[in-house]
Amino acid sequence: GQNIDQPTEMTATEGAIVQINCTYQTSGFNGLFWYQQHAGEAPTFLSYNVLDGLEEKGRFSSFLSRSKGYSYLLLKELQMKDSASYLCAVDMGTGGGNKLTFGTGTQLKVEL
Amino acid sequence: DVKVTQSSRYLVKRTGEKVFLECVQDMDHENMFWYRQDPGLGLRLIYFSYDVKMKEKGDIPEGYSVSREKKERFSLILESASTNQTSMYLCASSWSGRRDEQYFGPGTRLTVT
Repeated sequence: GQNIDQPTEMTATEGAIVQINCTYQTSGFNGLFWYQQHAGEAPTFLSYNVLDGLEEKGRFSSFLSRSKGYSYLLLKELQMKDSASYLCAVDMGTGGGNKLTFGTGTQLKVEL
Repeated sequence: DVKVTQSSRYLVKRTGEKVFLECVQDMDHENMFWYRQDPGLGLRLIYFSYDVKMKEKGDIPEGYSVSREKKERFSLILESASTNQTSMYLCASSWSGRRDEQYFGPGTRLTVT
């Protein structure tokens, strides 16, 4: 079967660094995506990993270990606007394009 | 800018009604997707389409059907709405590459009474 696990909630302080973990057990793997979703809004793309290692994009970085079925999203220099839900999604598609299975999301609250 | 639009932000329907949710994208994307999002369950894929007139079942297709007669439009149909289909419905579209991100519409909050 397929299982994607993320912590339900996290709290961090403005200016700090936070790491959001995602573990997965899936029947296939073609890549892993992270999305951000603010309350009442649509998810927006943050990052994509298909090879092991770290992908850096400004304040956000994402790491993947395929052998361990593990990824994390690292957010640096936290800002209040980073308060949102962070969704981990694994592509298990076999046809053209990706077919994503999402975790239930991690609600991040950034405090002063 | 990619734009994915959905026909309604809020919809209230009665049990047994036939419900159409429309999604239109303006980027000539090959792929389109329908998800529902529920608290504690996250986003779950209902149906997707990689091409016009083509559809594939996602993880929870029961009680739903879809139609894609034109490339830019993907419709989700609830043949006979039930209360357990009360949910937030999100449409998305993407290019055809494996690493291509999905762009989401604003969502339709459907309530079935």
